[in-house]
Amino acid sequence: DQQVKQNSPSLSVQEGRISILNCDYTNSMFDYFLWYKKYPAEGPTFLISISSIKDKNEDGRFTVFLNKSAKHLSLHIVPSQPGDSAVYFCAASAGSFGNEKLTFGTGTRLTIIP
Amino acid sequence: DVKVTQSSRYLVKRTGEKVFLECVQDMDHENMFWYRQDPGLGLRLIYFSYDVKMKEKGDIPEGYSVSREKKERFSLILESASTNQTSMYLCASSFAGGGGALSNYGYTFGSGTRLTVV
Repeated sequence: DQQVKQNSPSLSVQEGRISILNCDYTNSMFDYFLWYKKYPAEGPTFLISISSIKDKNEDGRFTVFLNKSAKHLSLHIVPSQPGDSAVYFCAASAGSFGNEKLTFGTGTRLTIIP
Repeated sequence: DVKVTQSSRYLVKRTGEKVFLECVQDMDHENMFWYRQDPGLGLRLIYFSYDVKMKEKGDIPEGYSVSREKKERFSLILESASTNQTSMYLCASSFAGGGGALSNYGYTFGSGTRLTVV
């Protein structure tokens, strides 16, 4: 039973344009959401997070939006750069801080076309 | 530079062997985790630990066990390796509780061990 779903296995975006990665979840106990970025042969690295008390969090080129009623979150990257090409994982936690047990999605491979 | 170190990047083992995957962190983190990553399945939690000598089953613990005798070290054990345990194994650690800088939230991952069971 996949509680966190990323329905797009891959996405290609032109350099300079906006990349939008989507994530859906089913467990209403999830309270904290994170995005991780993974390059080949490396471990995932933390990108940005959002608490369920917010609907938006922004950090430079990265913005995460949360729609609790739809159980949906999205990651916006603008402008997209070649170094953004990686696999992106959405993750969710029933805890308040995202440092406890995380449930991950299946990942979306983002390719930025120069 | 803070680190989570996994002892091997690549490992090839035979079916039926007992396999030890080691993970060490130098950040004084209380929490440690073992995940496996498989194509189309994302990262799935095997076991985790919130304290020394403490362990809890994750979503796919069958065929695995863990050991946490010291705060900085969390070992994953494949009791009798099978071909369906061929995977990328990722160790992670995090602080317990909340508060502090946002950078304290979430996990720090190791670089992973790609295990092939033949």
